[in-house]
Amino acid sequence: QLQLQESGPGLVKPAETLSLTCTVSIGSINNFIYYWGWMRQPPGEGLEWIASISHTGRTYYNPSLKGRVSISGDTSDTQFSLTLTSVNAADTAVYYCVGLVGVVFDYWGQGIFVTVSS
Amino acid sequence: DIVMTQSPDSLAVSLGERATISCKSSQSVLYNSDNKNYLAWYQQKPGQPPKVLLYWASTRESGVPDRFSGSGSGTDFTLTISNLQPEDVAVYYCQQYYSSQGLTFGGGTKVEIK
Repeated sequence: QLQLQESGPGLVKPAETLSLTCTVSIGSINNFIYYWGWMRQPPGEGLEWIASISHTGRTYYNPSLKGRVSISGDTSDTQFSLTLTSVNAADTAVYYCVGLVGVVFDYWGQGIFVTVSS
Repeated sequence: DIVMTQSPDSLAVSLGERATISCKSSQSVLYNSDNKNYLAWYQQKPGQPPKVLLYWASTRESGVPDRFSGSGSGTDFTLTISNLQPEDVAVYYCQQYYSSQGLTFGGGTKVEIK
């Protein structure tokens, strides 16, 4: 069974860079997984897709965040990462790493809550 | 971006009754080459990550009870929960995956027991 676990700081200062890592529990992230990605959910709000990376390394970004966000993954490793620069209070959210095995993102981590505050 | 609009924002349904949630997209998510609607439904219970219920608008994910059903095509979709159970209390989201350049979710519909 595929499992994902987010890790990173729970508090980031405004204007700084947020870096999160997702650790995958099954083999190389290249096995069976077609896309990896990140989603987020501000407190009490809905879901927002942030970025995705395919098993070939092609990346896709939410246009509203493009320029601030980067997703990376080494298909020979068991981790992939998210970097979000110049954070502000609006970036406060639960961040989920996700994996697509079937048709849609069917595997989700438990989420990590990140607060942007000085 | 394809904008997804859900309604209502919340609804309260009696146990055993039917809950109906609407999702409309700002442009069609029906891909002509394969005649499939690139629309999924997720369920999110408090304190948990979302879980896929349906994809291709009406195909149930493995293990999802058959009281959950999806219908619609093009820009108008519906999630129906028949015979509402206590464990169905959650927020439900539709999501389009028509464009891999921009996955978008609806705003969510909270389902409660009346």
